[in-house]
Amino acid sequence: EVQLVQSGAEVKKPGESLKISCKGSGYSFTSYWIGWVRQMPGKGLEWMGIIYPGDSDTRYSPSFQGQVTISADKSISTAYLQWSSLKASDTAMYYCVRRTYSSGGVNWFDPWGQGTLVTVSS
Amino acid sequence: DIVMTQTPLSSPVTLGQPASISCRSSQSLVHSDGNTYLSWLQQRPGQPPRLLIYKISNRFSGVPDRFSGSGAGTDFTLKISRVEAEDVGVYYCTQATQFPVTFGGGTKVEIK
Repeated sequence: EVQLVQSGAEVKKPGESLKISCKGSGYSFTSYWIGWVRQMPGKGLEWMGIIYPGDSDTRYSPSFQGQVTISADKSISTAYLQWSSLKASDTAMYYCVRRTYSSGGVNWFDPWGQGTLVTVSS
Repeated sequence: DIVMTQTPLSSPVTLGQPASISCRSSQSLVHSDGNTYLSWLQQRPGQPPRLLIYKISNRFSGVPDRFSGSGAGTDFTLKISRVEAEDVGVYYCTQATQFPVTFGGGTKVEIK
């Protein structure tokens, strides 16, 4: 079974750093893009960026460029999302999702991780 | 960025009755490869999103056939032929034709 399992909920103070993870299993981790999506409390979905673990090619949404860092460690089939200095406005649920893509017209996002709730409060 | 606009914001439906959600994009979603990468997601309360429909009208694995998608260019529709209790949640359209990927604001389907 293809699965993405995310790290547990975090409670942090403003200014602290954080790295959350997304571990893939049941498929070849290096052959699929992994994206990150933010969902603020009671709000909709926002695309943050995406990484191809095979070669670490990373693309950021302009809204999140410079605000977060996306990385991956293919040796342990894990993608990461990190902040160097959290703000209260980073409080949200964060989802990772696998992209299935081929030049033959295949392009969708599934499955999704279960989500990691990040709470930033003084 | 491509802006995705969904209507209605909320859709109260009687069990067994149909529901319809519209999604409009700010520009054509036809990719240079000829495909239209418009998908629909379902997010049940307290759950992560789940892929329902990809490339306008293709049901993903395990999705009941009461869900159907249609449309072209900039206008798309998700229909639920007969709403069941398990269909309660928020539905999002999303485009992957052009990066960054963008989402509609969501439509809440609830039971009357």
